[in-house]
Amino acid sequence: EIVMTQSPLSLSVTPGEPASISCRSSQSLLHSNGNTYLDWYLQKPGQPPQLLIYLGSTRASGVPDRFSGSGSGTDFILKISRVEAEDAGIYYCMQALQVWTFGQGTKVEIK
Amino acid sequence: EVQLVESGGGLVQPGGSLRLSCVASGFRFSSSALTWVRQAPGRGLEYVSTISGDNYIYNADSVKGRFTISRDNSKNTLYLQMNSLRAEDTALYYCAKFDSCYPCWGMDAWGQGTSVTVSS
Repeated sequence: EIVMTQSPLSLSVTPGEPASISCRSSQSLLHSNGNTYLDWYLQKPGQPPQLLIYLGSTRASGVPDRFSGSGSGTDFILKISRVEAEDAGIYYCMQALQVWTFGQGTKVEIK
Repeated sequence: EVQLVESGGGLVQPGGSLRLSCVASGFRFSSSALTWVRQAPGRGLEYVSTISGDNYIYNADSVKGRFTISRDNSKNTLYLQMNSLRAEDTALYYCAKFDSCYPCWGMDAWGQGTSVTVSS
């Protein structure tokens, strides 16, 4: 099983400031086809998760461009360039290379 | 509009069974990979089971031998048969669809979830 480890586990951010979340996998998520199988999800309070980023760096449909994903191999970053109040929630990374596993989640609070 | 609506949750005694359903609309159900993800109260997301469009099945180790995923393409419905339920299976169960396969990535639509409580 691929273990996903996120840091930090919680984050308090002032609106307009940047934020970043790290995700590390226990083995490389690079497939032989050249794609990297890492997704990012946001779960807002009382809602199901929503897909933000797939294949490491591609924004899902309708996701604002203040969200960006980067990284390779085993180390990945989700960045929010300027946090807004609606970005509060829990962010999860998930690997899709093998049987799927999620990180523990990072709770983002807006000050 | 893509919609996924789960049902079938409830209170069940340890060792009991439940069958969850997820009715889908707004996309090509028969060719889509679908999955169950659960969330225990106050906890994070946990992968449960997946069935691909061509009926390959994958399961988390925690449910192997107890849970069975299936689909009825004629009814646009995904199922999760849960047997030998344990207290640790208590969770909100979400169904979701994958954007693409293989490997299957990007759970791009989710239902609102159905709640399962295993308790005596």
